[in-house]
Amino acid sequence: KAGVTQTPRYLIKTRGQQVTLSCSPISGHRSVSWYQQTPGQGLQFLFEYFSETQRNKGNFPGRFSGRQFSNSRSEMNVSTLELGDSALYLCASSLEGANVLTFGAGSRLTVL
Amino acid sequence: GDSVTQMEGPVTLSEEAFLTINCTYTATGYPSLFWYVQYPGEGLQLLLKATKADDKGSNKGFEATYRKETTSFHLEKGSVQVSDSAVYFCALSDKGGSEKLVFGKGTKLTVNP
Repeated sequence: KAGVTQTPRYLIKTRGQQVTLSCSPISGHRSVSWYQQTPGQGLQFLFEYFSETQRNKGNFPGRFSGRQFSNSRSEMNVSTLELGDSALYLCASSLEGANVLTFGAGSRLTVL
Repeated sequence: GDSVTQMEGPVTLSEEAFLTINCTYTATGYPSLFWYVQYPGEGLQLLLKATKADDKGSNKGFEATYRKETTSFHLEKGSVQVSDSAVYFCALSDKGGSEKLVFGKGTKLTVNP
């Protein structure tokens, strides 16, 4: 059974650019969540999607957005990148109500 | 809001030593509690979980008991191995129809042979 797949694994951008990260959940999982991991702030919740609807959102500026497609795949977008956006972005999927997240390996974003 | 506090370490032990990583939480309801582990260059993996008071989660020799009276979920292992070297995260979920997790800051464990 394939795990959660995140692409790209590594990317480098410059300030002011935008970036789109992709997440393919485990087959059958309809809930997808995104987290930002940094050395200073640790793991912070970005947003959660279920059946193409955003169900929950963390305390991040509007530059951070996401969406989910009908096949449960999800993307997140960060516009007008800042140096502080450099982080590991983790996607996780779960079965509805199972309360257990399976994480992908992450997309490591470096902003120069 | 909900929060999780765990000892930040780093923690360095010799192989076969006893491990305890403390975790306490603040939550308005009765959350589910988790320990996740992150190996270098990888995402997080669920290590164990407990969903109600006095439940004991266990996996790969690790254990943690959900203590409502002390709002704690300490991680223990009787004899650590070099392969246990990783970062360990305590987390809670408020079970309110969302899969959102609130994480502690993580504890880096290094086990020396």
